[in-house]
Amino acid sequence: AQRVTQPEKLLSVFKGAPVELKCNYSYSGSPELFWYVQYSRQRLQLLLRHISRESIKGFTADLNKGETSFHLKKPFAQEEDSAMYYCALRTTSGSRLTFGEGTQLTVNP
Amino acid sequence: GAVVSQHPSRVICKSGTSVKIECRSLDFQATTMFWYRQFPKQSLMLMATSNEGSKATYEQGVEKDKFLINHASLTLSTLTVTSAHPEDSSFYICSARSLVNSYEQYFGPGTRLTVT
Repeated sequence: AQRVTQPEKLLSVFKGAPVELKCNYSYSGSPELFWYVQYSRQRLQLLLRHISRESIKGFTADLNKGETSFHLKKPFAQEEDSAMYYCALRTTSGSRLTFGEGTQLTVNP
Repeated sequence: GAVVSQHPSRVICKSGTSVKIECRSLDFQATTMFWYRQFPKQSLMLMATSNEGSKATYEQGVEKDKFLINHASLTLSTLTVTSAHPEDSSFYICSARSLVNSYEQYFGPGTRLTVT
């Protein structure tokens, strides 16, 4: 069975500092990886997915199959980035998403 | 963009009663809808997956007779919590997968259920 691990429940950085939210997965096939974000009092929304290889709001994430990781990075964090971030995996044959436990990011002024 | 609504946003009910939560995809058709449960400061736990016109597939440990899911159309799914107990109090979130952009799931705002 697939599994997603986000080792940090809480992450706090200062504005302008680089930030990296870690995500590791276990799955024997080729997964689709996603990052979802949930701002305070808002619904969960897709931030980015590995297939599109795009940068959204300054965030990027690279799928490293050797390390089975999909870490989310941003070179200069902003206060508005403060939110809950979830890494998620979908198998190639399935439709369901498996979520990690989430990382609460706080960007301090 | 695609929007998923849930109704009600919060509900309080007494033990032993049933409560229905609606999930609608407002401007797109959803092949598949998902129901999640989220405990405070925890991740989303998938409860069941439903496809329009067919029976829902429940995750291990989720009682299908307690959490009744109906997916009658491509834009509406309902979750009914039957004979609710205080331990059923939680945040329930639905998600819909688009017929067109099947890679993306759109999430509803969630429903806060409190059972007294």
